Amino acid sequence: EVQLVESGGGLVQPGGSLRVSCALSGFTLSDHHMDWVRQAPGKGLEWVGRSRNKAYTYSADYAASVKGRFTISRDDSKNSLFLQMNSLKTEDTAVYYCARTSVQNGQRHDYWGPGTLVIVTS
Amino acid sequence: DIQLTQSPSFLSASVGDRVTITCRASQDLGRSLTWYQQKPGKAPKVLIYAASTLDSGVPSRFSGSESGTEFTLIISSLQPEDFATYYCQQFKSVPLTFGGGTKVEFK
Repeated sequence: EVQLVESGGGLVQPGGSLRVSCALSGFTLSDHHMDWVRQAPGKGLEWVGRSRNKAYTYSADYAASVKGRFTISRDDSKNSLFLQMNSLKTEDTAVYYCARTSVQNGQRHDYWGPGTLVIVTS
Repeated sequence: DIQLTQSPSFLSASVGDRVTITCRASQDLGRSLTWYQQKPGKAPKVLIYAASTLDSGVPSRFSGSESGTEFTLIISSLQPEDFATYYCQQFKSVPLTFGGGTKVEFK
């Protein structure tokens, strides 16, 4: 059974850093692109970034709003995905979801974690 | 960046109604569009991918279509469990983008 579980959210001051993790099971991480998506309270979904699979040499892309501040990494041996967030701003307050991307016959985020809440406040 | 304009933002409907939600892209997506359903406090769930392919286990009352840069999600007969927020997302190119969402409320 495929499962994704985020952890590491919490309260952080503006300008601070936080690393959230996503523990994965039930599939081979290196085969899949993995994405982070966030949702500010009461707002819509916003794509944060992607870590491509091994075939794409784990290259990453980011939304303009987080580029240069956020870094996605993965440890395939530990079935884990990470989102390192630096220079946090109040507007980064959101629930952060990790999501697996399936590309067979069309792309979609077919499995999601329950999310972890990050609150940036002084 | 590809913009997705979703309409309407809110929709009031009754059980049994036919519901239509539209997502208009700022450029050609091919068929690289996915629809999700999200309920409060939960992660989104895939309904439709590749514009019109029903995901496994999704009821057949959901359907998707594409005409140029306009994509449509139809719920043929709204059920109580369908009251939720619906989002479209494009996978044509990064940055991936979502539509603003459509909240389907009980009339």
